[in-house]
Amino acid sequence: NAGVTQTPKFQVLKTGQSMTLQCAQDMNHEYMSWYRQDPGMGLRLIHYSVGAGITDQGEVPNGYNVSRSTTEDFPLRLLSAAPSQTSVYFCASSYSRPGRSNQPQHFGDGTRLSIL
Amino acid sequence: GDSVTQMEGPVTLSEEAFLTINCTYTATGYPSLFWYVQYPGEGLQLLLKATKADDKGSNKGFEATYRKETTSFHLEKGSVQVSDSAVYFCALGQGGATNKLIFGTGTLLAVQP
Repeated sequence: NAGVTQTPKFQVLKTGQSMTLQCAQDMNHEYMSWYRQDPGMGLRLIHYSVGAGITDQGEVPNGYNVSRSTTEDFPLRLLSAAPSQTSVYFCASSYSRPGRSNQPQHFGDGTRLSIL
Repeated sequence: GDSVTQMEGPVTLSEEAFLTINCTYTATGYPSLFWYVQYPGEGLQLLLKATKADDKGSNKGFEATYRKETTSFHLEKGSVQVSDSAVYFCALGQGGATNKLIFGTGTLLAVQP
């Protein structure tokens, strides 16, 4: 079972470059989300989607765009990378909104992104 | 707003020692509570959960009890193994319209043989 697949696993960018972090899930989950993980700050929600065609902002959305054209894919775009975006990025999915008691999130293995 | 506070790490233990990782929360209403574990180089995995006061979640020898009176959800294990070395995250599940997970900062556990 593939679960949640993130690509690439590692990336180094220069300030001002753009890139897209890919996320795909094969569990037919409606809810998908992107988090960033920084030392001492835990996981912070960037954007999330409750289904194809529907996205919304999380706690730290500035500098990131998302779209959800299919149930399976939820790419995260950095339009103009900044050093403050150096982080580990995790994509997650669940059958429905994760706050519900019986809906754990399934996480990908992460993308380690460095902005020089 | 809702929040989760975890004890800072790292926590370093010898194999077979008793583990406690403290977690307290602030929330309106009656949230669900979770512990997730992150092994080196991997994403987070759900370890256990509890949905209401006095519920006890358990998995792989780990336990945590939802204590509404102390707003706590401490993680415990009676005898840790080297393979338990990981980062542990306490999380709160918001209900209502938001229905999101709020994570603590994580606690690194290192178990030495």
